[in-house]
Amino acid sequence: GENVEQHPSTLSVQEGDSAVIKCTYSDSASNYFPWYKQELGKRPQLIIDIRSNVGEKKDQRIAVTLNKTAKHFSLHITETQPEDSAVYFCAASIDRGSTLGRLYFGRGTQLTVWP
Amino acid sequence: EAQVTQNPRYLITVTGKKLTVTCSQNMNHEYMSWYRQDPGLGLRQIYYSMNVEVTDKGDVPEGYKVSRKEKRNFPLILESPSPNQTSLYFCASRSPFTNNYGYTFGSGTRLTVV
Repeated sequence: GENVEQHPSTLSVQEGDSAVIKCTYSDSASNYFPWYKQELGKRPQLIIDIRSNVGEKKDQRIAVTLNKTAKHFSLHITETQPEDSAVYFCAASIDRGSTLGRLYFGRGTQLTVWP
Repeated sequence: EAQVTQNPRYLITVTGKKLTVTCSQNMNHEYMSWYRQDPGLGLRQIYYSMNVEVTDKGDVPEGYKVSRKEKRNFPLILESPSPNQTSLYFCASRSPFTNNYGYTFGSGTRLTVV
């Protein structure tokens, strides 16, 4: 099955700086890559996703980039704020039309933004 | 409101006493899944279901059972719980017929087996 690796496991940044979290995947057929944010004591929530036919996607201060050749994708958060502090998970799946594949998760990155 | 509802939120039980964690979604999603979350191990899939009466094992299925008799419900059954099943459990659903393919997660069930 698919293997998703996520780095770093912990990341500390100063408020206003940028944060980058990277994930690699093993199965070149994977074509859907979501990112989830989990605040302390809460459920994971989808924050952004990208499909394999797109190289980059942005939503305000967050962006995701995908390099299919290298089989890696990254989450970029600019102008970080203390409320960005959370655990972030990447994931990958092989979706074929209306048939969804299993979603494989990375182990998560604890992001801490210091004021 | 579109949501995935899990019950109970917290549960303390004793070894060997059968229990069921319920999961229900009101979004008509085809795909449902159970995950357990343990420190340092991320989200590990227990079982998933691609539609009614279609279920399959995830990465850590031992000690768990599921059923999918109706589209909206996907209960997780622990026939004989053991302390190593103490964990935070999440149910999630997704569908290819929505604007995104991402999961919607339930609020989680924190299970302690003593």
